[in-house]
Amino acid sequence: KAGVTQTPRYLIKTRGQQVTLSCSPISGHRSVSWYQQTPGQGLQFLFEYFSETQRNKGNFPGRFSGRQFSNSRSEMNVSTLELGDSALYLCASSLDPKGRRNTDTQYFGPGTRLTVL
Amino acid sequence: AQSVTQLDSHVSVSEGTPVLLRCNYSSSYSPSLFWYVQHPNKGLQLLLKYTSAATLVKGINGFEAEFKKSETSFHLTKPSAHMSDAAEYFCVVSEFSSNDYKLSFGAGTTVTVRA
Repeated sequence: KAGVTQTPRYLIKTRGQQVTLSCSPISGHRSVSWYQQTPGQGLQFLFEYFSETQRNKGNFPGRFSGRQFSNSRSEMNVSTLELGDSALYLCASSLDPKGRRNTDTQYFGPGTRLTVL
Repeated sequence: AQSVTQLDSHVSVSEGTPVLLRCNYSSSYSPSLFWYVQHPNKGLQLLLKYTSAATLVKGINGFEAEFKKSETSFHLTKPSAHMSDAAEYFCVVSEFSSNDYKLSFGAGTTVTVRA
């Protein structure tokens, strides 16, 4: 079974631009979560999508948004980029078995390295 | 409330010697616990997970971890380090209560393996 894929793998943007990152989950997985990883802040949760609905949200400004499609693929958008948005953005998918979410395992993609100049 | 503390930010071992990565957690409910590994410029790979079954959990690549509720610890060990074990390791706590599902990551432990 193919793993989680993310595109593009690397991206360079300038301040003020916007960017869209894409994530394809493992086949059959219904939940997709997004994380930002930086050397200073570590791994921080952005948001989670399930059945095309945002189910959980981390503590990030409204410039960060996302969506999920009917095939569970997800996109993340960052508008008005700032230098501090430079990071590795990781997507993770999980089965989200009903009644067993606390034991659910997230499988991570390779990430998209975003550099903001 | 929950939190995860990885007690060592960096661990250096010689090839062939044991590895110990320490993790303590605090949780209001019965948590699930995970260890992930991240190699440079890669995503996170699951090593093992504890979900209230056996307290000694065996994972991939010879790693194992023991859940100790009395000590609120979930330390990761490997009897003999290999050069390919050089990476960053994350201890993760997952708990679900009411309608809130939370996943907390430790700050990470960087492992260096000396030849």
